[in-house]
Amino acid sequence: RKEVEQDPGPFNVPEGATVAFNCTYSNSASQSFFWYRQDCRKEPKLLMSVYSSGNEDGRFTAQLNRASQYISLLIRDSKLSDSATYLCVVNSAGGSSNTGKLIFGQGTTLQVKP
Amino acid sequence: GAVVSQHPSRVICKSGTSVKIECRSLDFQATTMFWYRQFPKQSLMLMATSNEGSKATYEQGVEKDKFLINHASLTLSTLTVTSAHPEDSSFYICSAARGNSPLHFGNGTRLTVT
Repeated sequence: RKEVEQDPGPFNVPEGATVAFNCTYSNSASQSFFWYRQDCRKEPKLLMSVYSSGNEDGRFTAQLNRASQYISLLIRDSKLSDSATYLCVVNSAGGSSNTGKLIFGQGTTLQVKP
Repeated sequence: GAVVSQHPSRVICKSGTSVKIECRSLDFQATTMFWYRQFPKQSLMLMATSNEGSKATYEQGVEKDKFLINHASLTLSTLTVTSAHPEDSSFYICSAARGNSPLHFGNGTRLTVT
């Protein structure tokens, strides 16, 4: 079983749609969780950290369910520019992301159509 | 602006030659840098953790004699792919931690071995 699992998609949605991605992780001791965005042939860029209480940044909402060991990302009012691959990332050793190892999911590809 | 610089962004080399990739932290000191590899449509895989002034820590399955890592200063880590083969063709990305902030990634190096 992979340490971090995501549905690779692709998710094809029209502009303005709301789309949700889920991710599961196997290491129950993991403490830090992130969503990164990766555009084709580019490096990943941090989209947002994920906190137990849930957090929102504009059109993006991230949630963490420790009991079920899954993380979600909700994108509202999708824009064409949201088209990218979204990577679920878990810090296997806990703590901030500069300690321990970051484990990346395979990524979920989103295509927003006009 | 970019906080981690990676060079070169693209390199094509012949089988059997060696290629050096540089990763620099800009305006901050990074005692730890990470090297990842990403094959098409796959997730980023951690290859090794580069520690300033000491030997790198390699992940299982990564040949340390083939992928030489040198972290000679607090702002520079290098990855040398020795005796490159076509199967080493991949996207190599470094990252560095800046304080307690999430990791910042370099822009990646696309290596093609012919």
